[in-house]
This record gives sequence, C-alpha cells and structure tokens, in this order.
Amino acid sequence: EIMMTQSPATLSVSPGESATLSCRASQSVSSNLAWYQQKPGQAPRLLIYGASTRATGIPARFSGSGSGTEFTLTISSLQSEDFAVYYCLHHNDWPPPWTFGQGTKVEIK
Amino acid sequence: EVQLVASGGGLVQPGGSLRLSCAASGFTFSTYSIHWVRQAPGKGLEYVSTVISNGGATYYANSVKGRFTVSRDNSKNTVYLQMGSLRVEDTAVYYCARTTTAFYFDYWGQGTLATVSS
Repeated sequence: EIMMTQSPATLSVSPGESATLSCRASQSVSSNLAWYQQKPGQAPRLLIYGASTRATGIPARFSGSGSGTEFTLTISSLQSEDFAVYYCLHHNDWPPPWTFGQGTKVEIK
Repeated sequence: EVQLVASGGGLVQPGGSLRLSCAASGFTFSTYSIHWVRQAPGKGLEYVSTVISNGGATYYANSVKGRFTVSRDNSKNTVYLQMGSLRVEDTAVYYCARTTTAFYFDYWGQGTLATVSS
C-alpha cells in the first residue's frame, strides 16, 4: 500500500499571498496524483488530478506539479474561500485500499 | 447533475449495527465503482470500502474488514454500507464518492454522521 506524506501540517498565509503545499508518496506513482480541498462542514472537492490537471470549475490560481514521489500544490494569490484543508492521494492504482495524506490546513495569518 | 446523497447515520451503542445508504442520480450508476470514505471528528480522511460497478467485487480497509459489508442495488441506484460490531472509533462522518476510470474521486456525497457511544 502506498503511503502519502503531506507537509507542512499547517500553513499560515495572508490573503493575496501564495501557498505551496507538498505531498510525498512512499513509492513512485508517476503522475497519478490528485489533490482535494475540504472546507469545514463540507465534503471534499476534487481540485487536481494527473498531478497537474485542474478539475472542472477550478480556478487557474490552483496549480499542481510533480511526478514520481514528489508533488506540489501551489495556490497563488490566496482568496478567503481558499482557506481550507488540502489532501493528496495517488490514483490509477487498483485495487484499494488507499491511504490519504494526513492533510495540510491553510489558515489565515 | 451528478448527485450522491448519503443517509442512515445516527447514534448507536458499541457492538451495535447501522446501515448507511448512498443514493445516486445524474449519471449511469451501473458503470461506476462507488466508495465509502470516513472522517472522524477533527481528523483526516480514511478510506473505508469499495464496491465495483456490477457488485462483483468489494474491498475494505483493514480497520473494518469482517465487520462492514458493502453492497449495491443498480436497479435503485443505491449503495449500502452495513456496519456491524461497531466501536467507538468508528464514529465519523461517512462520505460516499464516485471514481473515474483513472480512480480519482470526482464526486462526493455530503456525508452522514455515525456516532458510536454508550
């Protein structure tokens, strides 16, 4: 089972600044990496898949990069609605189970 | 519009049972695998279970194997999670979600809270 490790656990950022979140896989997942955003009291939402492809309706300020075992989610010019918890998970791997990263909370500085 | 609506949560005593449902609409339900992912209060996301499109295979996290059973009724566009021998640590919001052919979760239900407490 592939393990995902996210860092940092918490990121304090001022609105308008950028944020860089990291995700590391315990073995190569090629470009099969997805990012999810979760706001309090809401279900997770798909942001990025294939390491860098934005899901439908996701603003261009969200960008993903990386391959193999090291991945990055960058949020440029943070808006108030971007303060949330972000999770990474590899995909295109069958069968389950799968293990999510522990999450990075992006909070207002 | 794709919709997944989870229901059936509630309060149950340790050792008890609960059946969750996930009703789907807006897509060809019988062609998608459906999964359950849970989130304990204040914690991260934890994979729970999967049922493939035709119900012919199921998968479970080690933490629930032997206690939970996932099934589906494609005539009703619904997936079920039968939870038994419940433990306090099973307390969580349970989300159902759909995966694409590349196995990322593209749609999630709103979640249903299951509380295991005496």
